[in-house]
Amino acid sequence: AQTVTQSQPEMSVQEAETVTLSCTYDTSESDYYLFWYKQPPSRQMILVIRQEAYKQQNATENRFSVNFQKAAKSFSLKISDSQLGDAAMYFCAYRSAITGANSKLTFGKGITLSVRP
Amino acid sequence: DTAVSQTPKYLVTQMGNDKSIKCEQNLGHDTMYWYKQDSKKFLKIMFSYNNKELIINETVPNRFSPKSPDKAHLNLHINSLELGDSAVYFCASSQMVGETQYFGPGTRLLVL
Repeated sequence: AQTVTQSQPEMSVQEAETVTLSCTYDTSESDYYLFWYKQPPSRQMILVIRQEAYKQQNATENRFSVNFQKAAKSFSLKISDSQLGDAAMYFCAYRSAITGANSKLTFGKGITLSVRP
Repeated sequence: DTAVSQTPKYLVTQMGNDKSIKCEQNLGHDTMYWYKQDSKKFLKIMFSYNNKELIINETVPNRFSPKSPDKAHLNLHINSLELGDSAVYFCASSQMVGETQYFGPGTRLLVL
């Protein structure tokens, strides 16, 4: 079974600075997808960024980018120019590329990010 | 336009009652999911349906029964509610062959 580990429960960053959130995962599969979801106090789960394991290029979405290290099974999220609205809980998630019963998302425990003005 | 919607958003009820949560998606997806987020914010899959067929059924008490009348709807019925059922329940949808799941706003259930 796949597992996702987010070992840092909390992080803090100064507004306009850069912060990196860590995530590691364990799988025996070679093809899969990785995601970062943001959950603000409104509790809505918002997709931040996704990465296909077969792609070597790291995904980027505006101020958000990932450092995907497949061999190390590491998938960190970098937030540049942090804004107050980035304050939220961030979840790392894994999804097998095999469809059907393996299509579920497996989540890490999440990390609470606070942004200091 | 709301992509994935859930009703109700809040549900407060007494132990032993039966309640339902409804989910609808207008994204044209063929797969829908129910996730439970516990008091420690941990998210875990409960069920998934693809084209009205149950494809994922995790270790969930049989007091929980999902129903999918069509591929745009997935409802969750809970019998004999217990204190431990208090949580936030999220519905999500995706294409079966698509990897990205889109979530509804969540339903906060409080069992007293």
